[in-house]
Amino acid sequence: DAGVIQSPRHEVTEMGQEVTLRCKPISGHNSLFWYRQTMMRGLELLIYFNNNVPIDDSGMPEDRFSAKMPNASFSTLKIQPSEPRDSAVYFCASSWARRYEQYFGPGTRLTVT
Amino acid sequence: GQQVMQIPQYQHVQEGEDFTTYCNSSTTLSNIQWYKQRPGGHPVFLIQLVKSGEVKKQKRLTFQFGEAKKNSSLHITATQTTDVGTYFCAAHAGNNRKLIWGLGTSLAVNP
Repeated sequence: DAGVIQSPRHEVTEMGQEVTLRCKPISGHNSLFWYRQTMMRGLELLIYFNNNVPIDDSGMPEDRFSAKMPNASFSTLKIQPSEPRDSAVYFCASSWARRYEQYFGPGTRLTVT
Repeated sequence: GQQVMQIPQYQHVQEGEDFTTYCNSSTTLSNIQWYKQRPGGHPVFLIQLVKSGEVKKQKRLTFQFGEAKKNSSLHITATQTTDVGTYFCAAHAGNNRKLIWGLGTSLAVNP
């Protein structure tokens, strides 16, 4: 199994630009999570999906952030417009219905200048 | 809301010394999970504890869940340089799949 796949691995963009992060969960997993990790705030859950349906988006910082999961094998996290304070590592994780452990992707390191 | 407090924030040890990180909650937890994140890497699941007083071992790592299910610990015996990283505890909030994460304990091992 390839594990959770995220792209891009690194993204450098200018303030005001749109950023789209992509995630492919492990095949057969039905829950998908988007996290943001910074030194100051640690690991924060932004949103999670169950069977492609958003269940809890209370961690999404503001309207500039949006996430979609059009099918069981693909999800996107979009930031529009991006700001320097959005600089962080963004992780996608997935889990299986019968088990609760989460499997993380390698992350996308986002730098907004 | 539910919070999980983890201490210490940082720990430096000499190789061969033991290490322990603690996780505490003011509310009863349904379960607790432990993850390890190597520098520059991503969190990797280590174990899940569910039962009151449960103790599980993985080689030099010992995981405990408190009798009241409000605290947990991870103990590493005779640390090695491969143990370097940040150890996180995480617990489920209610009946959904959302995890509440501790801030992690960063372990540095001097060879």
